[in-house]
Amino acid sequence: EDKVVQSPLSLVVHEGDTVTLNCSYEVTNFRSLLWYKQEKKAPTFLFMLTSSGIEKKSGRLSSILDKKELFSILNITATQTGDSAIYLCVINSNSGYALNFGKGTSLLVTP
Amino acid sequence: GAGVSQSPSNKVTEKGKDVELRCDPISGHTALYWYRQSLGQGLEFLIYFQGNSAPDKSGLPSDRFSAERTGGSVSTLTIQRTQQEDSAVYLCASRPQGGDRPYGYTFGSGTRLTVV
Repeated sequence: EDKVVQSPLSLVVHEGDTVTLNCSYEVTNFRSLLWYKQEKKAPTFLFMLTSSGIEKKSGRLSSILDKKELFSILNITATQTGDSAIYLCVINSNSGYALNFGKGTSLLVTP
Repeated sequence: GAGVSQSPSNKVTEKGKDVELRCDPISGHTALYWYRQSLGQGLEFLIYFQGNSAPDKSGLPSDRFSAERTGGSVSTLTIQRTQQEDSAVYLCASRPQGGDRPYGYTFGSGTRLTVV
C-alpha cells in the first residue's frame, strides 16, 4: 500500500524564520511528487518534482526530491504570516489513478 | 467558469438524512476526482471519473456513498443516511485528459459537510 508521511504535523515559527517541511514516501511506480499549499479549503499547486537532486524554486519557497532515500523537503525562507497554511505532499504513481496525500504540515507564522 | 465550482459551500444536515454535493469542473477537463478531508486527516480519495470510462469507485467508504457524472461534465456525490463520521470537507478536482503537468489538477473550494 502506498504511503506518504509528512513531518512535522504542525509547526509554529516567528516571521523571518526559515522552515523545512519533510515528506517521505513508499510507493510503487513513482511518477511525481507534488507540493500543495492549502488555505481554507482548496489546495493550490506549488511544485512538481520528478527528478532527484534538481531544486525547484519560486520566490522564498524551494523544494528538492531524493528518489534514492524516498523523501522531499520544502523550504520556506524569511517566513511571513501569509505563509500560514497546511502544506500537502502528494504522490502520483502509475499504479493507480488517484493521488496519494500526506496528512499535511500545519504551519503557523506569528508576527 | 474559470475554475472548479462546488456547491453548496457549507451544508449542515441531520443524521440519517441524504445529501447531494455538486461539482462543476473546468470545461473540457475529462478527469474528475472526489476527495474528502476529515479533521486531522489527509485528503482521502473517493472516486475518479475519466471520460466515458467506468469510474474508479475504489475509494468510496461504504455503499451509502455514490457519485455520478452526467454528460461528462457536472458530477454529483450523494451520501445516503448520513452519519456523524461523514462530517468532512469534500473536495472536487479536475484535470485535462493525460494531464500530469503542474497546472493539470485544479481543485474546487470544497463543501464543508457537518452532520449533527
